Parts: sequence; C-alpha cells; structure tokens
Amino acid sequence: DIQMTQSPASLSASLEEIVTITCQASQDIGNWLSWYQQRPGKSPQLLIFGATSLADGVPSRFSGSRSGTQYSLKISRLQVEDIGIYYCLQANSAPYTFGAGTKLELK
Amino acid sequence: QVQLKESGPGLVQPSQTLSLTCTVSGFSLTSYNVHWVRQPPGKGLEWMGRMRYNGDISYNSALKSRLFISRDTSKNQLFLKLNSLQTDDTGTYYCSRDLGVNWFAYWGQGTLVTVSS
Repeated sequence: DIQMTQSPASLSASLEEIVTITCQASQDIGNWLSWYQQRPGKSPQLLIFGATSLADGVPSRFSGSRSGTQYSLKISRLQVEDIGIYYCLQANSAPYTFGAGTKLELK
Repeated sequence: QVQLKESGPGLVQPSQTLSLTCTVSGFSLTSYNVHWVRQPPGKGLEWMGRMRYNGDISYNSALKSRLFISRDTSKNQLFLKLNSLQTDDTGTYYCSRDLGVNWFAYWGQGTLVTVSS
C-alpha cells in the first residue's frame, strides 16, 4: 500500500499568515493527489484535486503544488474559517490512503 | 443538487454485522463512483471501498475479508456490510461521490456507529 506521510501534525498560525502543509508519498503517484478540509463536526470538503487544481467554490488563497513525490497545500492568507483539520489523499492506486491529518489552529 | 445521506443502526454489538445505507439524489449510481470512508472518534480518515459506476467494486485490503459493498440502482442506494465488528470499528461512516475520477467532491453528513455491548 502507498503511504502518505503528512506534516506537521499540528500547526498554530496567525490571521493573514502563510501556511504550508506537506504530504510525502512513499512512491510515485503522479498527480493523483487531493486535499481536504474538515471543519469541527463536519464532513470533509474537497479543496484541491490533481495536485494543483482548485475545486469549485474554494477561495483562491488555497493552492497546491508538487515536487516529485512531495505535495504541498498552501494557504496564502489565513482566515478564521480556515481552521480545521487538513488531509491529503492519494488516489493513484487502491487502497486509496489519506495522510494522518494536520490540525490547524489560530495563534 | 447532489446529495448523499447515510443511515444505519447507531449502536451495534461486538461480533455482529453492521449494515449501512447511502441514499443518493441528484445523480445516478450508474454514472458516478461512490466510496465509503470512515473515521474513528478523534482520528483520521480511512478509505474502505468503492462501487464504480459500472458495478465494479474495490475494497481496502485491510477490511476485505469483512466488508461487502452492493447497490440497488432502482432505489438510488448503496449498501455497506461489515461483519465481525470490534470496538475499533466505532466511528463515523461517510459515503462520498467522486468527480468521475477519484476526487471526493460530495460527502454525506456521516453516520456515527458505536460498537459496544
């Protein structure tokens, strides 16, 4: 199975700050990587698909990038509504595997 | 409007079988893939399996011996059966529709299942 190593596990940041979360795949997954936000008590929401494409309705301050087997999610200017847990998901081959999650809090 | 809604028993005894239903609207199960994902309390997400639009099924190998996914396209319903339940099967179970490839764009509200005697 493909392992997704996500870091950091938790992150405290200030409003308007730039935030970056990374996922390292254990093998080549191409662009089969998506990012999800899960607010407290809610279902996950798709943010980024295909490693770099913004999902419908997602603010442009979110962006995704790829360097080899490392994938990053960037929030350019942190807002209050961005608080939650973020997960990456590899969908290159079954079983599809999520990263362990990054809990983002306000400083 | 795409909607998915999970339903199930809430409480199941250890060693018993969990049966969940995902009722969908706004799309056809013969046009899109639908996945089952679960989340233990306070923990991360685990992909369980997928019913493709054409009826093909994939399972997480960690659950394969206990998991069965099926559907009734006439009722717009997807089903999950997980047998030999243990306490660590406790969690919220979601069904999710993808975008035609494996981007999980639509999610149900989730249904909490507690395994306890």
